[in-house]
Amino acid sequence: AQSVTQLDSHVSVSEGTPVLLRCNYSSSYSPSLFWYVQHPNKGLQLLLKYTSAATLVKGINGFEAEFKKSETSFHLTKPSAHMSDAAEYFCVVILPASGGSYIPTFGRGTSLIVHP
Amino acid sequence: EAGVTQFPSHSVIEKGQTVTLRCDPISGHDNLYWYRRVMGKEIKFLLHFVKESKQDESGMPNNRFLAERTGGTYSTLKVQPAELEDSGVYFCASSQGAGNYGYTFGSGTRLTVV
Repeated sequence: AQSVTQLDSHVSVSEGTPVLLRCNYSSSYSPSLFWYVQHPNKGLQLLLKYTSAATLVKGINGFEAEFKKSETSFHLTKPSAHMSDAAEYFCVVILPASGGSYIPTFGRGTSLIVHP
Repeated sequence: EAGVTQFPSHSVIEKGQTVTLRCDPISGHDNLYWYRRVMGKEIKFLLHFVKESKQDESGMPNNRFLAERTGGTYSTLKVQPAELEDSGVYFCASSQGAGNYGYTFGSGTRLTVV
């Protein structure tokens, strides 16, 4: 079955240390992949997207993600965490649906906790 | 360019009442999606419109939910009668096309059924 898996429900880091949020997908083709962020009481904001161009994608606020087809992964990274990065992060994969359309499908989300 | 607009932002209703949520997509976006996140759970797909037609409604939980998109512009999602388990955040998204296009999400409507 085609799916998207975020391996960690919570990730805790200290301010100034690197961030790694993991995402793996299962698909019979190379899908489009996105990372969204949701801050408390806010809407979903697009961080970055991969659409079969460069495998290393740079997003907003210093985040980037690398598409690795051999590992079916699209992990999100940031060299140095900031307190304002504390939020919930969603990996989204475009997967074909039963009706013949393509549906953005969400991972379960990863809560990033940043300690001072 | 205006984004995807959802309203109300919050709604508190009693069990058994009716609530209608509205989503205004980005102008020109034919594709419109509804999602729901129940407390502590994953964000789940509800349905997908292409213009005014329902392309996929496989995620609609039951017949208490009715979505419409008259004229292919804004969409409404009606819950009638509302139950306690309907509480959650309802998101709407729109895109110009499907597949590799970007998807813009609204801020969501937080529905609380008491």
